[in-house]
Amino acid sequence: DQQVKQNSPSLSVQEGRISILNCDYTNSMFDYFLWYKKYPAEGPTFLISISSIKDKNEDGRFTVFLNKSAKHLSLHIVPSQPGDSAVYFCAARLGKAGTALIFGKGTTLSVSS
Amino acid sequence: GAGVSQSPSNKVTEKGKDVELRCDPISGHTALYWYRQSLGQGLEFLIYFQGNSAPDKSGLPSDRFSAERTGGSVSTLTIQRTQQEDSAVYLCASSPTLSGNTIYFGEGSWLTVV
Repeated sequence: DQQVKQNSPSLSVQEGRISILNCDYTNSMFDYFLWYKKYPAEGPTFLISISSIKDKNEDGRFTVFLNKSAKHLSLHIVPSQPGDSAVYFCAARLGKAGTALIFGKGTTLSVSS
Repeated sequence: GAGVSQSPSNKVTEKGKDVELRCDPISGHTALYWYRQSLGQGLEFLIYFQGNSAPDKSGLPSDRFSAERTGGSVSTLTIQRTQQEDSAVYLCASSPTLSGNTIYFGEGSWLTVV
């Protein structure tokens, strides 16, 4: 059973608009959440993260929002750029040492100019 | 090296053959992880190492899969008697410590079993 779910396999957005990528999780013991970005033929690269004690973290054009009661987080990209086109993975970590990150299936973002 | 290095970058093998995939983590990183991504799937966790020890091997898909790490550095993932369903990108990642929140990925080894 998937503990981290990205229900939208793909998202298309116009350049300059906002991209919103969503992620749901089932395990309330997750204490840290991350977003990774992956271009074709490359490994995933870390984008932004948020601790479970916060509800928002912002880094330039990227903002992650966490709603613990709904077990939901989202990544906002504003404004979207064609170079943002990639697969975005949501990941979560259990609140104890010795556990690996658990990833969702990813959402493919396409930003058109 | 500056980043996580994986080899080979691409491997085509015949069904039934054994393959070895190598990962060289970022220098000084004590934690090392193996994931795989099959077509249309997310990143599936396989195994992690703290130093040379792998406390949890439950993510390995079958007993045909094994991994080891020597000298607290290089790790090898071995797949015996490969099957077509083993075709995937095998991604290695490392982090400074096991409790580190961010892990850094290599570019992956693309395995195709024909």
